[in-house]
Amino acid sequence: EPEVTQTPSHQVTQMGQEVILRCVPISNHLYFYWYRQILGQKVEFLVSFYNNEISEKSEIFDDQFSVERPDGSNFTLKIRSTKLEDSAMYFCAKRQENTEAFFGQGTRLTVV
Amino acid sequence: GEDVEQSLFLSVREGDSSVINCTYTDSSSTYLYWYKQEPGAGLQLLTYIFSNMDMKQDQRLTVLLNKKDKHLSLRIADTQTGDSAIYFCAESIRTGANNLFFGTGTRLTVIP
Repeated sequence: EPEVTQTPSHQVTQMGQEVILRCVPISNHLYFYWYRQILGQKVEFLVSFYNNEISEKSEIFDDQFSVERPDGSNFTLKIRSTKLEDSAMYFCAKRQENTEAFFGQGTRLTVV
Repeated sequence: GEDVEQSLFLSVREGDSSVINCTYTDSSSTYLYWYKQEPGAGLQLLTYIFSNMDMKQDQRLTVLLNKKDKHLSLRIADTQTGDSAIYFCAESIRTGANNLFFGTGTRLTVIP
């Protein structure tokens, strides 16, 4: 059973639409993360989430992005008004203090 | 800022050793990691090394760290076709949230 499950595996959306990417960390961990990987580029850190609030975010994580863990289980990334350049693979991850991070299989977001 | 560099491609013959190299710029790195990404899958942690170590061996995998040159390598002995994947080097520079900074990934192709 995977540690982290992401849905959907592939999402196609029109520019300007809102998308919500979901992550289900099966067991309780302390830290949760979103990373993204634009095709052919590095995996980039977006945001970390601890104790139900954002603990750190990168320059990429602007006002168009938000994260939530509303029910203590699902961890979501919302992009309010998608742009073409948001097309990427988005990875969710979780970890305990100073231990390895478990990554999901990723959601491929395609903005058309 | 943090910068992690890797060569993009490596091809080896089945049974040979593979050596994947990585350089990083931040001397305050605490942990350095190697992740493997198979097609359509998430990022799987292969191994990691703490910054006060020079070498770590785990079955077919050997990690070498040259902290002076900020150079990390992953050696895979007796490379198999199942080792074909993208290998990412990553570093974390502090405790706590431990955000990861990734390299571009090296695509390893194993030729039968």
